Amino acid sequence: NAGVTQTPKFQVLKTGQSMTLQCAQDMNHEYMSWYRQDPGMGLRLIHYSVGAGITDQGEVPNGYNVSRSTTEDFPLRLLSAAPSQTSVYFCASSYSLSNQPQHFGDGTRLSIL
Amino acid sequence: GENVEQHPSTLSVQEGDSAVIKCTYSDSASNYFPWYKQELGKRPQLIIDIRSNVGEKKDQRIAVTLNKTAKHFSLHITETQPEDSAVYFCAAPTQGGSEKLVFGKGMKLTVNP
Repeated sequence: NAGVTQTPKFQVLKTGQSMTLQCAQDMNHEYMSWYRQDPGMGLRLIHYSVGAGITDQGEVPNGYNVSRSTTEDFPLRLLSAAPSQTSVYFCASSYSLSNQPQHFGDGTRLSIL
Repeated sequence: GENVEQHPSTLSVQEGDSAVIKCTYSDSASNYFPWYKQELGKRPQLIIDIRSNVGEKKDQRIAVTLNKTAKHFSLHITETQPEDSAVYFCAAPTQGGSEKLVFGKGMKLTVNP
């Protein structure tokens, strides 16, 4: 199993550009989530999904969209990038719900100029 | 919603000493308490977790204790080694352990040889 795969690993964007961060898992996990990690702020939940076709907002959802058309994939979209979205983004998955061990991807380091 | 606070934010110990990291949470319905370790530039990885029906859990040099009355749980690392140097995060789910996992801000542990 590859586990949780995130692409790209690094990205530089200009303010106002859009992009999609990809996340895929091959463990047949129902629960998937996106976090952003900023210095001194820990991991903050952006969006999550409890299964295909179901998504909901986390602590910091503004400026981000998600969709879950398949069990395996959970892309995160930035519609109009802002410098405040400069961060490291982690995707995670677990068998079911949040009260199970989370498996993290390697992260995407995103810089918005 | 859940609020998870972690203390201290940094800790420096000598190799062989013990280290203790404490977390407090606010949602009395939370039922799952994991600890994650994140080495520099790497993904967070689960090192130990405990459920609300258990007071203590051990795994070799690490242990976690839970006090549901006081709403706090602690990570204990004995006989610390330089490879224990990392950032440690605690977390707790909101809403009785369902859909959102809230992380503390992390504690940077440095083990000096």
